[in-house]
Amino acid sequence: DTEVTQTPKHLVMGMTNKKSLKCEQHMGHRAMYWYKQKAKKPPELMFVYSYEKLSINESVPSRFSPECPNSSLLNLHLHALQPEDSALYLCASSQGLTSPDTQYFGPGTRLTVL
Amino acid sequence: DAKTTQPNSMESNEEEPVHLPCNHSTISGTDYIHWYRQLPSQGPEYVIHGLTSNVNNRMASLAIAEDRKSSTLILHRATLRDAAVYYCILRPLESGTYKYIFGTGTRLKVLA
Repeated sequence: DTEVTQTPKHLVMGMTNKKSLKCEQHMGHRAMYWYKQKAKKPPELMFVYSYEKLSINESVPSRFSPECPNSSLLNLHLHALQPEDSALYLCASSQGLTSPDTQYFGPGTRLTVL
Repeated sequence: DAKTTQPNSMESNEEEPVHLPCNHSTISGTDYIHWYRQLPSQGPEYVIHGLTSNVNNRMASLAIAEDRKSSTLILHRATLRDAAVYYCILRPLESGTYKYIFGTGTRLKVLA
């Protein structure tokens, strides 16, 4: 099973709301990733967790708060977002070993901020 | 970070081979080359990867130049289901973790 699941599929929120995106994998992978993808652009890396510890934060604004409760789950907590944060948010996972460490992506959550 | 350069779009006829090029002139010796594709409304899907030698799998072939400054993804017989955006990706090591640096992608259109 090479599946990464993401919920919800779609999310509409106001600028004052707090919401969370959820990502799950059961492949025994120890590295998990959040990406942001705007229309007609490639995915941009936001965060990387390696063995449940945050290893990369690509200077993401604090209104995005990642959390890795265990090796199978990855959350992205959203608070006080701006309309320009509307995008497809992708989760991925990989074994977390040295190489080649292929990443497997979920289908994404389409976020709209009003 | 090393960068990749890809054509914005390409067209192919169904049942014909497709060669998708990628330039990565600043690639370092430890960077793997990965290719993914993204169909509409889906996450990126792994296609193939390589380091120095040419690679084949059931989906495609990857031809890597001897100096590693460019590579070509080869779809042997394009079908309508192969219409997607194809990303050439380098994978540098940072903070003990491999991260993907996506290229801008090539939108492949397959004509029936």
